[in-house]
Amino acid sequence: EAAVTQSPRNKVAVTGGKVTLSCNQTNNHNNMYWYRQDTGHGLRLIHYSYGAGSTEKGDIPDGYKASRPSQENFSLILELATPSQTSVYFCASGDGRGGNERLFFGHGTKLSVL
Amino acid sequence: AQSVDQPDAHVTLSEGASLELRCSYSYSAAPYLFWYVQYPGQSLQFLLKYITGDTVVKGTKGFEAEFRKSNSSFNLKKSPAHWSDSAKYFCALEAGGSNAKLTFGKGTKLSVKS
Repeated sequence: EAAVTQSPRNKVAVTGGKVTLSCNQTNNHNNMYWYRQDTGHGLRLIHYSYGAGSTEKGDIPDGYKASRPSQENFSLILELATPSQTSVYFCASGDGRGGNERLFFGHGTKLSVL
Repeated sequence: AQSVDQPDAHVTLSEGASLELRCSYSYSAAPYLFWYVQYPGQSLQFLLKYITGDTVVKGTKGFEAEFRKSNSSFNLKKSPAHWSDSAKYFCALEAGGSNAKLTFGKGTKLSVKS
């Protein structure tokens, strides 16, 4: 079973501060994703990556940056956090294209921006 | 652009009853369709997927889903339901091609009363 670990599990940040959410996966998957989960919206894709050194914008990238320095690690960066970014963030990894991909999710990071 | 609709935000039923969670999608070509489940306090887990072929696909935990192209639906079913099935269920669509991004519905929260 693939393991996806997110840190921190909970984070309280101040408006205008910088926040970095980290994700590590140990199954050597090429693809990694960052989603946020909000009531009434389900999961929405923020950024994703198909391998080390690459990042792509998802459906709601504004206010977020991503970094994939290695196969195992994928970070989500909020340079200037705002209260609207209060949410639960999920990282996921997968290794497939064309419908062959099964995603493995981390346990989530609950972020509160005050 | 593709979209996924889960019209029922909440479904409540009694243990032993049959459950059917609705999912409809909008996509101009052949979709890849998935169901994921999120148990209380946990992350999302893969249940099943439809790629091609048999329109009824079976997944983990006794669940199955039926793909109906005629009305663009992919409903999740299980009989009988058990109290441990209480969770939030997400339908997702992958648009195919070389891009493996998933578009999720808003989710249906299922409560099974014992």
